[in-house]
Amino acid sequence: GAGVSQSPRYKVAKRGQDVALRCDPISGHVSLFWYQQALGQGPEFLTYFQNEAQLDKSGLPSDRFFAERPEGSVSTLKIQRTQQEDSAVYLCASSLTGATDTQYFGPGTRLTVL
Amino acid sequence: EDQVTQSPEALRLQEGESSSLNCSYTVSGLRGLFWYRQDPGKGPEFLFTLYSAGEEKEKERLKATLTKKESFLHITAPKPEDSATYLCAVRNNNNDMRFGAGTRLTVKP
Repeated sequence: GAGVSQSPRYKVAKRGQDVALRCDPISGHVSLFWYQQALGQGPEFLTYFQNEAQLDKSGLPSDRFFAERPEGSVSTLKIQRTQQEDSAVYLCASSLTGATDTQYFGPGTRLTVL
Repeated sequence: EDQVTQSPEALRLQEGESSSLNCSYTVSGLRGLFWYRQDPGKGPEFLFTLYSAGEEKEKERLKATLTKKESFLHITAPKPEDSATYLCAVRNNNNDMRFGAGTRLTVKP
């Protein structure tokens, strides 16, 4: 079946612009996670949703980062007033039930801030 | 704070040359140790979950083992298509996931 999909795959933004990254989880998956992956590093947790509820946003690096999942399916990660240090790959993962289940990742969105 | 350290950072093998990747961890209440494979430009692909010391899992040429302090990913007779970055992650008793930086494996024909 279809896996996790993310769009766009690549995004170039000028410093100060706002960006929105989209994640379509595996159909029927209750939980959704966002991660940030810097070059040569492992993914770092940003935030977690169970259905439409954002249960953990402890990894969001600043109040410029905002995530939503209004209908418990598609999620959007928004970054306001982008900075160069925001350049990274943003990965989305979903799991069938809660945070204890195996996470399946999408291909990621590579964000470059100039 | 939970920590995951993977070694070596990079490993080059000849086709057929077996080896092991190491994942050392400290975690507050292990709720699972995960191995993922990541190809360039793609997201991590799930391989294994291990839950308790002594547990082992196998898939084709890969075998993962777990002790109380570390996990090994053994690769037997690797092929060029096994070339990828292998990521290890731990989940703690708060269900937080922490990843290591990965081992970049290259298998030469």
